[in-house]
Amino acid sequence: EIVLTQSPGTLSLSPGERATLSCRASQSVSSSYLAWYQQKPGQAPRLLIYGASSRATGIPDRFSGSGSGTDFTLTISRLEPEDFAVYYCQHYGSSPLYTFGQGTKLEIK
Amino acid sequence: EVQLLESGGGLEQPGGSLRLSCAASGFTFSSYAMSWVRQAAGKGLEWVSRISSSGGSTYYADSVKGRFTISRDNSKNTLYLQMNSLRAEDTAVYYCATSDYGRFQDWGQGTVVTVSS
Repeated sequence: EIVLTQSPGTLSLSPGERATLSCRASQSVSSSYLAWYQQKPGQAPRLLIYGASSRATGIPDRFSGSGSGTDFTLTISRLEPEDFAVYYCQHYGSSPLYTFGQGTKLEIK
Repeated sequence: EVQLLESGGGLEQPGGSLRLSCAASGFTFSSYAMSWVRQAAGKGLEWVSRISSSGGSTYYADSVKGRFTISRDNSKNTLYLQMNSLRAEDTAVYYCATSDYGRFQDWGQGTVVTVSS
């Protein structure tokens, strides 16, 4: 079973700063099936990145994804006020079929 | 515009049953695999179940296997989740989502399930 570990648990930054969120897999995974989501309080998650580095439709280009093997990164180049939320990475594999990381809360400093 | 609207949540006693529905519109429902994902209050996301576009293949998380059944009616553009033998730990917001290519592209707003005596 693949486990995704996200770090840090909480990231405190100011608008305009750069955010770097990490997702580490317990074993090597296919980049094709690594995705990132944003979730704001009281809302459903929103797909940001798929295939480790492809932005979903309508996602601003300040969001970017990178990585391969066991280490993946979501970068937000310049934080906007609306970017403060919880972020999850997710992998599609075998058993279980889908795995989520525990989330990183991005909060305003 | 893709719309997914869940319903059927509520308060149920341990050991009871509930049937969730997810009404889809704005896309060709019969062409997409669909999943249920849940989230307990203050916790992370947990995938629950997936069904292929035709309904011929189903998959479950170990935590619900044998208790939950996913199904779909492509003529009604509706996804279902039959939940039996409910436990307190099934208490969560349940989301339906499109789930092709290994990702959850579109999500509903969720329906709340509470299992308590």
